[in-house]
Amino acid sequence: GQNIDQPTEMTATEGAIVQINCTYQTSGFNGLFWYQQHAGEAPTFLSYNVLDGLEEKGRFSSFLSRSKGYSYLLLKELQMKDSASYLCAVKRNTPLVFGKGTRLSVIA
Amino acid sequence: DTEVTQTPKHLVMGMTNKKSLKCEQHMGHRAMYWYKQKAKKPPELMFVYSYEKLSINESVPSRFSPECPNSSLLNLHLHALQPEDSALYLCASSQARGDIQYFGAGTRLSVL
Repeated sequence: GQNIDQPTEMTATEGAIVQINCTYQTSGFNGLFWYQQHAGEAPTFLSYNVLDGLEEKGRFSSFLSRSKGYSYLLLKELQMKDSASYLCAVKRNTPLVFGKGTRLSVIA
Repeated sequence: DTEVTQTPKHLVMGMTNKKSLKCEQHMGHRAMYWYKQKAKKPPELMFVYSYEKLSINESVPSRFSPECPNSSLLNLHLHALQPEDSALYLCASSQARGDIQYFGAGTRLSVL
């Protein structure tokens, strides 16, 4: 199997910071994507990491460690509209393989 | 513009019907994809077209038949589907295979 692991569900408070982790098998790794998907809607692209380190884009940041097969998505200043599923997707020699997604609930 | 347009948005069909799902993009992308997504599950890849040629078929049953008439259009022809085929069908496109994929809003299919 592709063995991409993410927590199934997380809950965080409005205004807080939340970190969503993703671990994967490292063989044939070519990059990692994060997508956001609101219920009943299409996934939308958030970030792409191919080298180790942190990529920052506004309230969202994504980190990658290739040697550890580990990535995280960091969401700051959480807003209610951030309640969604967050999908980690690994690029290997074939197109993307998605993790099962993490359902994030932001509460007041 | 990163728009991928899918029609119809909703489709209800019987098990003996033939229908088609359509996907269109005008971003000049040369790779297009069909995914199937069940509720609370991640998207599952079905087919990949690269430069209008089928490059990946993820062992999808023959009752699903993809077609890429030109570089902007991707169809999915449906025939003799089963109730378990009810799902959200997502189309995506990317500049080339492996690049950032942009998704359409999907077609929600119900098979009765």
